[in-house]
Amino acid sequence: GAVVSQHPSRVICKSGTSVKIECRSLDFQATTMFWYRQFPKQSLMLMATSNEGSKATYEQGVEKDKFLINHASLTLSTLTVTSAHPEDSSFYICSAAGTGQETQYFGPGTRLLVL
Amino acid sequence: SQQGEEDPQALSIQEGENATMNCSYKTSINNLQWYRQNSGRGLVHLILIRSNEREKHSGRLRVTLDTSKKSSSLLITASRAADTASYFCAPRVIQGAQKLVFGQGTRLTINP
Repeated sequence: GAVVSQHPSRVICKSGTSVKIECRSLDFQATTMFWYRQFPKQSLMLMATSNEGSKATYEQGVEKDKFLINHASLTLSTLTVTSAHPEDSSFYICSAAGTGQETQYFGPGTRLLVL
Repeated sequence: SQQGEEDPQALSIQEGENATMNCSYKTSINNLQWYRQNSGRGLVHLILIRSNEREKHSGRLRVTLDTSKKSSSLLITASRAADTASYFCAPRVIQGAQKLVFGQGTRLTINP
């Protein structure tokens, strides 16, 4: 099956710093990538949808200037949490889908802890 | 709302028993997908059932879809400890973006 990786798997940073999370599709071209966040024992909340070469579409309530998404190639999307605060601590998960693919393939997630 | 709602929220059964989870949704769909999430991990796609299908099997999984009731069920037969996870349904709307919106899921615990 299709494989999606995320890096890093875990990151701890100080409040006020920026953190970049990478999402890569390893064996297929991901025309669309999705970014989710998940708090403990809660569901995944879709943050944004990004299509390769286009600006990301953010869900209502998600600050686009705080969560910068770049999808510059068919195999890589990045999420940058700018000026991170403790309330940004969460589990961030990406998923990817290729053209015509009806299912999404998920990365293993990145656990962010902001001190 | 595009998301599915899973029921029950939590289910605990003995190993070897069958587990049934239900999903309800509100919009017309193209297909409905089920995903599994092990604790602290990403989601794994389990099975997709199209709107013109009523039942589908994959190994120990059996999925049904009733579009008139806007509901689906996931049956796991002969459960194993490794089936312990959260299960999510994701309706794919006919008219809409490719995105999937997830509900709270069903937390399944298989007791040895």
